[in-house]
Amino acid sequence: ETGVTQTPRHLVMGMTNKKSLKCEQHLGHNAMYWYKQSAKKPLELMFVYSLEERVENNSVPSRFSPECPNSSHLFLHLHTLQPEDSALYLCASSHTSARRDTQYFGPGTRLTVL
Amino acid sequence: DQQVKQNSPSLSVQEGRISILNCDYTNSMFDYFLWYKKYPAEGPTFLISISSIKDKNEDGRFTVFLNKSAKHLSLHIVPSQPGDSAVYFCAAMVETSGSRLTFGEGTQLTVNP
Repeated sequence: ETGVTQTPRHLVMGMTNKKSLKCEQHLGHNAMYWYKQSAKKPLELMFVYSLEERVENNSVPSRFSPECPNSSHLFLHLHTLQPEDSALYLCASSHTSARRDTQYFGPGTRLTVL
Repeated sequence: DQQVKQNSPSLSVQEGRISILNCDYTNSMFDYFLWYKKYPAEGPTFLISISSIKDKNEDGRFTVFLNKSAKHLSLHIVPSQPGDSAVYFCAAMVETSGSRLTFGEGTQLTVNP
């Protein structure tokens, strides 16, 4: 148990669906992240949210929409996804988004887009 | 353009022997490096790190070596144990750019009893 939980753990959706991934951290951290891991590819940072900054990776399509209502919760809203968006989506948190703060990961949501 | 590469997708070693996992990077701005370990159905967990001002960092059975001139780092596990079987990710960051990690593809380590 790393203190970072993600729901759902598995999600299958059609291309016209709208769904949301949820991440919650119980570590008192102030920074949260979304990563994507496609098959046989490295983890790729999608978004960073913290008290110091909000960073969006410009290469992430607009069909992915993050929301961070407070420092403990992070959502990833999904709409009109494509089959190539099927991947493992990992949430992480750290004390701050600065420098060497260790990132703690959740177990991930395995997303399949049909 | 992949800036962190782990060229071996898998490695198999015998229990008690040394495991050596390798990682190469291309971005000379990287100045902090980390190794994460991932078990199936779990998220990656931090294992060990090294700053570019050092060439070695040791934590129990785990040692990370950094060769800046070769842009290469390695993780040594000795002695290897069956519980070490997992996927190992190398990651790098530029400290002044905050906590943006660039990951390698991972290496599946299998330690056979």
